[in-house]
Amino acid sequence: GAVVSQHPSRVICKSGTSVKIECRSLDFQATTMFWYRQFPKQSLMLMATSNEGSKATYEQGVEKDKFLINHASLTLSTLTVTSAHPEDSSFYICSARVGGDRGSHYGYTFGSGTRLTVV
Amino acid sequence: AQKITQTQPGMFVQEKEAVTLDCTYDTSDPSYGLFWYKQPSSGEMIFLIYQGSYDQQNATEGRYSLNFQKARKSANLVISASQLGDSAMYFCAMREGMTGGFKTIFGAGTRLFVKA
Repeated sequence: GAVVSQHPSRVICKSGTSVKIECRSLDFQATTMFWYRQFPKQSLMLMATSNEGSKATYEQGVEKDKFLINHASLTLSTLTVTSAHPEDSSFYICSARVGGDRGSHYGYTFGSGTRLTVV
Repeated sequence: AQKITQTQPGMFVQEKEAVTLDCTYDTSDPSYGLFWYKQPSSGEMIFLIYQGSYDQQNATEGRYSLNFQKARKSANLVISASQLGDSAMYFCAMREGMTGGFKTIFGAGTRLFVKA
């Protein structure tokens, strides 16, 4: 099945630094990827939709200058948290859309997530 | 407006018994998909089961079945013969069609505890 590899799985960084999270589709081409954020004991919040070769579409309330998304190839999307602060500490998960638009239960596959801690 | 509602923040079930996790949704899009995911403490998201809005039969995947009641806009997950390893967070999700931009939105989740 389609696999998405997300790295790093865990990162601790100092406040004010930037952190890059990578999401790679290993055996398929992902034209569309989604980035989610999950606070402890809460649901996933969609941050942005990333389409290969074009600018990402950010959800309302998400700072595009703070969360930079690049989807330069069909197998790689990156999320960079710029000038990270403790409130950015969270669990970030990427997801890729797989297959057709109708009826496929392989429509989405998820990365394993990145736990970011900003100290 | 809340589009996916999971009313049970936590559920307990005895090992080997069945459990139903509730999910209701709201959409005006005639074409949509409903998903259930499991999230263990490790954080990864595991796909469990899918139901399309046009599917005539309820979806089943091993011990998982989806009780799809379209008129009531509910998509409850039934886990039969619970196992200790089923203890996790469970999310119901919906993907709308064209009008929803093919994004998936998630419910708040239900934490399932399986007792030995």
